[in-house]
Amino acid sequence: DIQMTQSPSTLSASVGDRVTITCRASQSINRWLAWYQQKPGKAPKLLIYEASSLESGVPSRFSGSGSGTEFTLTISSLQPDDFATYYCQHYETYTNTFGQGTKLEIK
Amino acid sequence: QLQLQESGPRLVKPSETLSLTCTVSGGSISGSSYYWGWIRQPPGKGLEWIGSISYSGSTKYNPSLKSRVTISVDASKNQFSLKLSSVTAADTSVYYCARHIEGSAIIARHWGQGTLVTVSS
Repeated sequence: DIQMTQSPSTLSASVGDRVTITCRASQSINRWLAWYQQKPGKAPKLLIYEASSLESGVPSRFSGSGSGTEFTLTISSLQPDDFATYYCQHYETYTNTFGQGTKLEIK
Repeated sequence: QLQLQESGPRLVKPSETLSLTCTVSGGSISGSSYYWGWIRQPPGKGLEWIGSISYSGSTKYNPSLKSRVTISVDASKNQFSLKLSSVTAADTSVYYCARHIEGSAIIARHWGQGTLVTVSS
């Protein structure tokens, strides 16, 4: 099975900061990676798919990059609404496909 | 606007079968090229993709759950369903239904609000 490892598990940052979350795959997944944002008590929201394609309606301060085994989600200037948990998910194979999550907290 | 709503028992006894239905509104399952699926999340933990089904009935399952999972579709009711057999306390989770992005049976674009199912005697 392909394992997805996110880092860090928790990230403390301030409004206006630029932050980067990393997701590493245990083997190449080409560009078959998505990112989600989840707020407490809510369903996840798709932000990015195919590593760097921004979902419609998602602010342009979110961006994704990477291919193969290493991927990043970057938020260029944190807004109050961005404090949430972020998950990566691969879709290279039909297995359990999510990373363990990164909780973005207010510093 | 596409909406999905999970329904079903919120409490299931150990060893029994968990059954949930997702009702789709604002769009039709019939004839669509999308996959419709289920994802779960134990309280306070991460997400797990369970499986998905196409309008034509083609299914994709997480191998770790495959022996216990059945996903089916009833296009006449614009619904699809999840059955998970032989449940244990480890199956206690919020269960989400979703419509996946075109061309994928895994990446979910539209989500239901989720329903907490507790496995307990």
